[in-house]
Amino acid sequence: ETGVTQTPRHLVMGMTNKKSLKCEQHLGHNAMYWYKQSAKKPLELMFVYNFKEQTENNSVPSRFSPECPNSSHLFLHLHTLQPEDSALYLCASSREGQSEQYFGPGTRLTVT
Amino acid sequence: AQSVTQPDIHITVSEGASLELRCNYSYGATPYLFWYVQSPGQGLQLLLKYFSGDTLVQGIKGFEAEFKRSQSSFNLRKPSVHWSDAAEYFCAVGAGDSNYQLIWGAGTKLIIKP
Repeated sequence: ETGVTQTPRHLVMGMTNKKSLKCEQHLGHNAMYWYKQSAKKPLELMFVYNFKEQTENNSVPSRFSPECPNSSHLFLHLHTLQPEDSALYLCASSREGQSEQYFGPGTRLTVT
Repeated sequence: AQSVTQPDIHITVSEGASLELRCNYSYGATPYLFWYVQSPGQGLQLLLKYFSGDTLVQGIKGFEAEFKRSQSSFNLRKPSVHWSDAAEYFCAVGAGDSNYQLIWGAGTKLIIKP
Protein backbone atom coordinates (compact mmCIF):
# COMPACT_ATOMS: atom_id res chain seq x y z
CA GLU A 1 0.00 0.00 0.00
CA THR A 2 1.18 3.48 -0.72
CA GLY A 3 0.07 6.95 0.30
CA VAL A 4 -2.79 7.45 2.73
CA THR A 5 -5.52 4.85 3.10
CA GLN A 6 -8.86 5.13 4.86
CA THR A 7 -11.39 2.53 5.91
CA PRO A 8 -14.23 2.11 5.54
CA ARG A 9 -14.91 4.06 2.35
CA HIS A 10 -18.61 4.27 3.12
CA LEU A 11 -20.43 4.07 6.45
CA VAL A 12 -24.10 4.33 7.36
CA MET A 13 -24.87 4.54 11.04
CA GLY A 14 -27.77 5.32 13.29
CA MET A 15 -27.62 8.09 15.85
CA THR A 16 -27.18 5.63 18.71
CA ASN A 17 -24.37 3.61 17.11
CA LYS A 18 -20.68 3.69 17.87
CA LYS A 19 -18.25 3.30 14.99
CA SER A 20 -14.65 4.15 14.18
CA LEU A 21 -12.91 5.49 11.10
CA LYS A 22 -9.36 4.38 10.42
CA CYS A 23 -6.55 6.12 8.59
CA GLU A 24 -3.08 4.81 7.81
CA GLN A 25 -0.23 6.61 6.10
CA HIS A 26 2.70 4.91 4.42
CA LEU A 27 4.71 8.07 3.72
CA GLY A 28 6.85 8.26 6.85
CA HIS A 29 5.13 11.46 7.92
CA ASN A 30 4.83 12.66 11.50
CA ALA A 31 1.70 14.79 11.37
CA MET A 32 -1.82 13.54 10.71
CA TYR A 33 -5.11 15.36 10.28
CA TRP A 34 -8.85 14.80 10.28
CA TYR A 35 -11.00 17.03 8.07
CA LYS A 36 -14.74 17.22 7.54
CA GLN A 37 -16.00 18.07 4.07
CA SER A 38 -19.67 19.00 3.75
CA ALA A 39 -21.45 20.05 0.60
CA LYS A 40 -21.10 23.75 -0.23
CA LYS A 41 -18.74 24.43 2.70
CA PRO A 42 -14.98 24.91 2.85
CA LEU A 43 -12.91 22.09 4.20
CA GLU A 44 -13.07 22.06 8.01
CA LEU A 45 -10.02 21.01 9.99
CA MET A 46 -11.06 18.93 12.99
CA PHE A 47 -7.90 17.58 14.62
CA VAL A 48 -4.13 17.64 14.14
CA TYR A 49 -1.64 15.21 15.62
CA ASN A 50 2.11 15.74 15.51
CA PHE A 51 4.28 12.86 16.70
CA LYS A 52 1.16 11.28 18.25
CA GLU A 53 0.37 14.39 20.29
CA GLN A 54 -2.78 16.35 19.58
CA THR A 55 -1.84 19.89 18.63
CA GLU A 56 -5.16 21.21 17.33
CA ASN A 57 -8.78 20.63 18.22
CA ASN A 58 -10.93 23.09 16.35
CA SER A 59 -13.92 23.16 18.70
CA VAL A 60 -15.09 19.75 17.59
CA PRO A 61 -18.04 18.25 19.52
CA SER A 62 -17.13 15.53 21.98
CA ARG A 63 -19.12 12.96 20.01
CA PHE A 64 -16.00 12.87 17.79
CA SER A 65 -13.03 11.36 19.61
CA PRO A 66 -9.67 11.04 17.87
CA GLU A 67 -6.94 8.56 18.68
CA CYS A 68 -3.38 8.44 17.35
CA PRO A 69 -1.51 5.38 18.67
CA ASN A 70 1.54 6.03 16.48
CA SER A 71 2.64 8.33 13.68
CA SER A 72 1.24 6.03 11.01
CA HIS A 73 -2.27 5.44 12.33
CA LEU A 74 -5.14 7.73 13.15
CA PHE A 75 -8.64 6.86 14.27
CA LEU A 76 -11.83 8.84 14.64
CA HIS A 77 -14.26 7.30 17.08
CA LEU A 78 -17.88 8.25 16.55
CA HIS A 79 -20.78 8.02 18.99
CA THR A 80 -24.29 9.46 19.22
CA LEU A 81 -23.86 11.41 16.00
CA GLN A 82 -26.43 13.74 14.50
CA PRO A 83 -27.73 13.78 10.92
CA GLU A 84 -25.79 17.01 10.29
CA ASP A 85 -22.60 15.04 10.88
CA SER A 86 -23.16 13.29 7.56
CA ALA A 87 -20.20 14.29 5.39
CA LEU A 88 -17.00 13.10 3.76
CA TYR A 89 -14.30 12.64 6.40
CA LEU A 90 -10.81 13.05 5.05
CA CYS A 91 -7.55 12.04 6.62
CA ALA A 92 -4.26 13.69 5.63
CA SER A 93 -0.62 13.52 6.63
CA SER A 94 2.46 15.71 6.28
CA ARG A 95 6.10 15.82 7.30
CA GLU A 96 6.70 17.72 10.49
CA GLY A 97 7.07 21.42 9.92
CA GLN A 98 5.67 21.44 6.39
CA SER A 99 2.24 22.49 5.26
CA GLU A 100 2.12 20.18 2.25
CA GLN A 101 -0.52 17.59 3.06
CA TYR A 102 -1.36 14.31 1.39
CA PHE A 103 -4.92 13.06 1.56
CA GLY A 104 -6.65 9.74 1.73
CA PRO A 105 -9.75 8.95 -0.36
CA GLY A 106 -12.12 9.73 2.50
CA THR A 107 -14.96 7.97 4.31
CA ARG A 108 -18.46 8.93 3.20
CA LEU A 109 -20.49 8.93 6.42
CA THR A 110 -24.27 8.97 6.49
CA VAL A 111 -26.05 9.33 9.83
CA THR A 112 -29.67 8.18 9.80
CA ALA B 1 -8.01 37.71 9.27
CA GLN B 2 -6.41 35.18 6.98
CA SER B 3 -8.63 34.04 4.14
CA VAL B 4 -8.64 32.44 0.73
CA THR B 5 -11.17 33.40 -1.93
CA GLN B 6 -12.03 31.43 -5.01
CA PRO B 7 -14.50 33.77 -6.72
CA ASP B 8 -15.93 31.23 -9.15
CA ILE B 9 -18.12 28.47 -7.74
CA HIS B 10 -18.50 26.85 -11.17
CA ILE B 11 -16.63 27.26 -14.43
CA THR B 12 -17.60 25.65 -17.72
CA VAL B 13 -14.96 25.24 -20.41
CA SER B 14 -14.99 23.46 -23.76
CA GLU B 15 -12.62 20.54 -24.17
CA GLY B 16 -9.38 21.80 -25.70
CA ALA B 17 -9.88 25.36 -24.51
CA SER B 18 -7.61 27.12 -22.05
CA LEU B 19 -8.43 27.39 -18.37
CA GLU B 20 -7.72 29.85 -15.59
CA LEU B 21 -9.03 29.35 -12.05
CA ARG B 22 -8.69 32.29 -9.73
CA CYS B 23 -7.43 32.32 -6.17
CA ASN B 24 -6.91 35.37 -3.97
CA TYR B 25 -5.61 35.29 -0.45
CA SER B 26 -5.29 37.55 2.53
CA TYR B 27 -2.22 36.75 4.58
CA GLY B 28 0.23 38.84 6.57
CA ALA B 29 3.48 37.10 5.69
CA THR B 30 4.80 35.34 2.61
CA PRO B 31 2.50 32.39 2.28
CA TYR B 32 2.95 28.86 1.15
CA LEU B 33 0.40 28.29 -1.64
CA PHE B 34 -1.19 25.13 -2.92
CA TRP B 35 -3.66 23.90 -5.49
CA TYR B 36 -5.42 20.61 -4.95
CA VAL B 37 -7.86 18.72 -7.17
CA GLN B 38 -10.69 16.46 -6.04
CA SER B 39 -12.45 14.06 -8.39
CA PRO B 40 -15.95 12.91 -7.40
CA GLY B 41 -15.90 10.56 -4.42
CA GLN B 42 -12.16 10.93 -3.97
CA GLY B 43 -9.73 12.65 -1.67
CA LEU B 44 -7.68 15.70 -2.58
CA GLN B 45 -4.60 15.39 -4.77
CA LEU B 46 -1.83 17.98 -4.70
CA LEU B 47 -1.44 19.61 -8.12
CA LEU B 48 1.32 22.08 -7.32
CA LYS B 49 2.79 24.26 -4.63
CA TYR B 50 4.69 27.49 -4.21
CA PHE B 51 7.07 27.99 -1.31
CA SER B 52 9.64 30.44 -2.71
CA GLY B 53 11.71 31.22 -5.80
CA ASP B 54 10.32 31.27 -9.31
CA THR B 55 6.80 32.64 -9.17
CA LEU B 56 5.62 30.44 -12.03
CA VAL B 57 5.33 26.88 -10.83
CA GLN B 58 4.65 23.77 -12.82
CA GLY B 59 2.52 20.96 -11.51
CA ILE B 60 1.18 17.61 -12.50
CA LYS B 61 -1.31 16.95 -15.31
CA GLY B 62 -0.07 19.96 -17.31
CA PHE B 63 -1.17 22.59 -14.77
CA GLU B 64 0.77 25.67 -13.79
CA ALA B 65 0.17 28.55 -11.40
CA GLU B 66 1.64 32.00 -10.99
CA PHE B 67 2.19 33.75 -7.67
CA LYS B 68 1.60 37.49 -7.94
CA ARG B 69 2.43 39.13 -4.64
CA SER B 70 1.16 42.56 -5.72
CA GLN B 71 -2.27 41.08 -6.48
CA SER B 72 -2.30 38.52 -3.65
CA SER B 73 -3.19 35.94 -6.24
CA PHE B 74 -2.19 32.42 -7.17
CA ASN B 75 -4.20 31.56 -10.28
CA LEU B 76 -4.17 28.08 -11.78
CA ARG B 77 -3.86 27.67 -15.55
CA LYS B 78 -3.88 24.97 -18.17
CA PRO B 79 -3.45 25.67 -21.90
CA SER B 80 -5.81 22.92 -23.11
CA VAL B 81 -8.26 21.06 -20.86
CA HIS B 82 -9.25 17.44 -21.24
CA TRP B 83 -12.55 15.87 -20.23
CA SER B 84 -10.69 14.11 -17.40
CA ASP B 85 -9.94 17.50 -15.83
CA ALA B 86 -13.57 17.81 -14.74
CA ALA B 87 -13.30 17.97 -10.95
CA GLU B 88 -13.31 20.41 -8.06
CA TYR B 89 -10.23 22.53 -7.50
CA PHE B 90 -9.16 23.95 -4.16
CA CYS B 91 -6.68 26.68 -3.39
CA ALA B 92 -5.02 26.68 0.05
CA VAL B 93 -2.60 28.87 1.96
CA GLY B 94 -0.23 27.72 4.65
CA ALA B 95 2.05 29.45 7.10
CA GLY B 96 4.91 27.02 6.77
CA ASP B 97 7.17 25.44 9.31
CA SER B 98 5.52 26.19 12.61
CA ASN B 99 1.89 26.01 11.65
CA TYR B 100 0.19 22.88 10.44
CA GLN B 101 -3.05 24.51 9.45
CA LEU B 102 -3.99 25.30 5.89
CA ILE B 103 -6.58 27.93 5.06
CA TRP B 104 -8.83 26.63 2.33
CA GLY B 105 -10.85 28.23 -0.40
CA ALA B 106 -14.40 27.03 -0.99
CA GLY B 107 -13.47 25.35 -4.26
CA THR B 108 -14.26 25.81 -7.94
CA LYS B 109 -16.09 23.10 -9.80
CA LEU B 110 -14.80 22.68 -13.35
CA ILE B 111 -17.26 21.41 -15.94
CA ILE B 112 -15.98 20.36 -19.36
CA LYS B 113 -18.19 20.71 -22.42
CA PRO B 114 -17.57 18.15 -25.16
